Amino acid sequence: DAGVTQSPTHLIKTRGQHVTLRCSPISGHKSVSWYQQVLGQGPQFIFQYYEKEERGRGNFPDRFSARQFPNYSSELNVNALLLGDSALYLCASSSDRGGNQPQHFGDGTRLSIL
Amino acid sequence: AQSVTQPDIHITVSEGASLELRCNYSYGATPYLFWYVQSPGQGLQLLLKYFSGDTLVQGIKGFEAEFKRSQSSFNLRKPSVHWSDAAEYFCAVGGNNFNKFYFGSGTKLNVKP
Repeated sequence: DAGVTQSPTHLIKTRGQHVTLRCSPISGHKSVSWYQQVLGQGPQFIFQYYEKEERGRGNFPDRFSARQFPNYSSELNVNALLLGDSALYLCASSSDRGGNQPQHFGDGTRLSIL
Repeated sequence: AQSVTQPDIHITVSEGASLELRCNYSYGATPYLFWYVQSPGQGLQLLLKYFSGDTLVQGIKGFEAEFKRSQSSFNLRKPSVHWSDAAEYFCAVGGNNFNKFYFGSGTKLNVKP
């Protein structure tokens, strides 16, 4: 079975632009979470979506938004990009939304802001 | 507030030696605890998880971890390290209501030949 897939793998943008990152969860998984991992740090929670509704939000500005589609795939959108948004963006899926559900991670999208 | 601390930023061990990576957590209720491993340029792979019951849990690749409630710790161990274990290791605690995981800052493991 395919794991969590993310696209694109790498992206270079300039300040002020916007970006859309995409994630396809493991088949049958209804929960998708997004994390930001800055170099040298652990992943920081951005959003969780379950059954197409936002179920959790981390401490990120409103420039960050996301959505989940009927097939459970998800998009993360970031507007007005800042240099500090340079990071690895990880998508994780799980079969259910509880904190006891192991999350399965994709390989991430490396976003570089110039 | 929930948090995870990994006190060791870098650890170097010789191949064949034993390994212990430390993790301390702060969480009000019974925690759901996880260890993940990340190779350069890749996502995180789940090594093992603890929910309840037996405090010693076995994972993949010969890893195990022990939950100690009195010390708020969930240390990762391996009896004999292989060169392929060189990677970064993250401890995480799961929240109650949704998949908000709190991750530690990671421990980078180097393995000497």
